[in-house]
Amino acid sequence: NAGVTQTPKFQVLKTGQSMTLQCAQDMNHNSMYWYRQDPGMGLRLIYYSASEGTTDKGEVPNGYNVSRLNKREFSLRLESAAPSQTSVYFCASSPRDSLSYEQYFGPGTRLTVT
Amino acid sequence: DQQVKQNSPSLSVQEGRISILNCDYTNSMFDYFLWYKKYPAEGPTFLISISSIKDKNEDGRFTVFLNKSAKHLSLHIVPSQPGDSAVYFCAASAINTGNQFYFGTGTSLTVIP
Repeated sequence: NAGVTQTPKFQVLKTGQSMTLQCAQDMNHNSMYWYRQDPGMGLRLIYYSASEGTTDKGEVPNGYNVSRLNKREFSLRLESAAPSQTSVYFCASSPRDSLSYEQYFGPGTRLTVT
Repeated sequence: DQQVKQNSPSLSVQEGRISILNCDYTNSMFDYFLWYKKYPAEGPTFLISISSIKDKNEDGRFTVFLNKSAKHLSLHIVPSQPGDSAVYFCAASAINTGNQFYFGTGTSLTVIP
């Protein structure tokens, strides 16, 4: 049982390049999330998916797109990377049922845009 | 605008003593609160939660207190252990009105042996 996995762990991009961050969970959770963590800012929600086939914007969606490919996978795409997108990105999942709302996080992807 | 605030960036406590981490929120619609613990180079891990119908929840050495009138919650760790040294985030959500969780900026706890 791997929980939430993210690839890659590290990535360096040049300004203007594109890339996709991959996330998968094996806990049969309905909801999945993408956050970024910046120094002094805590975790900020980029996008989330309440269930397969649905996605919604969070606090900081500009410059990103997402795809909920199936119940297991939720990817985050940067179409044209900017230095302001240098951050640590975390994917999370949650059952979001009446008994359990906590989120389970992946290990993170450290992205640097030069 | 930060809806969840942790005003203490860091805290140092002697092993065996109590650690108290504080969190304030501004949105009165929040009705579910969580604490997460994060070690360097790892993702946050869930620690304990509380819904707004309670004012206290305990799990072993960890207790969360909620003061709705003050829009304040706190995490007590008793007794503190060196392995508790980590960054602690509080988070809040309005469970019945949306899926978003709002996180504080974190408090770095150091437990001194």
